[in-house]
Amino acid sequence: RKEVEQDPGPFNVPEGATVAFNCTYSNSASQSFFWYRQDCRKEPKLLMSVYSSGNEDGRFTAQLNRASQYISLLIRDSKLSDSATYLCAAWNSGGYQKVTFGTGTKLQVIP
Amino acid sequence: ETGVTQSPTHLIKTRGQQVTLRCSSQSGHNTVSWYQQALGQGPQFIFQYYREEENGRGNFPPRFSGLQFPNYSSELNVNALELDDSALYLCASSLGNQPQHFGDGTRLSIL
Repeated sequence: RKEVEQDPGPFNVPEGATVAFNCTYSNSASQSFFWYRQDCRKEPKLLMSVYSSGNEDGRFTAQLNRASQYISLLIRDSKLSDSATYLCAAWNSGGYQKVTFGTGTKLQVIP
Repeated sequence: ETGVTQSPTHLIKTRGQQVTLRCSSQSGHNTVSWYQQALGQGPQFIFQYYREEENGRGNFPPRFSGLQFPNYSSELNVNALELDDSALYLCASSLGNQPQHFGDGTRLSIL
């Protein structure tokens, strides 16, 4: 089993739709979580950190569920420019540090 | 504020050769991590450096080695290159376990 798992998609959604991605992690020692956006042949760019209390940044909402060991990303009112691959990352910062990324979920927003 | 910069942008090597990739961290960042990203996959954690010492490592063989310098810049060295080493190599810097910010990457092709 992979340490961080994501549905690779693609998710094809119309403009204006709401779409949600989940990401599960297996290492209960993971302490910090992030969502990154990666455009084709570009580097990942930090989208947002994920907190247990949930956090929102404009049209984007991230949630962490430690009991079930998953994080989620909700995108409301999808724009064409949201088309990209969304990567979740788990950081185990205790002792010997390690960061694990999922394989990414591809989103295609359709006009 | 200067972002993360990597060099070279592209590199072509042959099997058995050695390569050195370079990374300058974002100003104010003291931690550097290196990742390998194959096509269609998420970034795979190679190792992390803090205060010039490796303090985290993923599942990569010893022929992948690195350095961090007093100015927090870093090098990734790969010996005895194999065809499977062809990938995008990403460097990310952060302040401690704060969110990482990535450079544009070095695209390495092994012939």
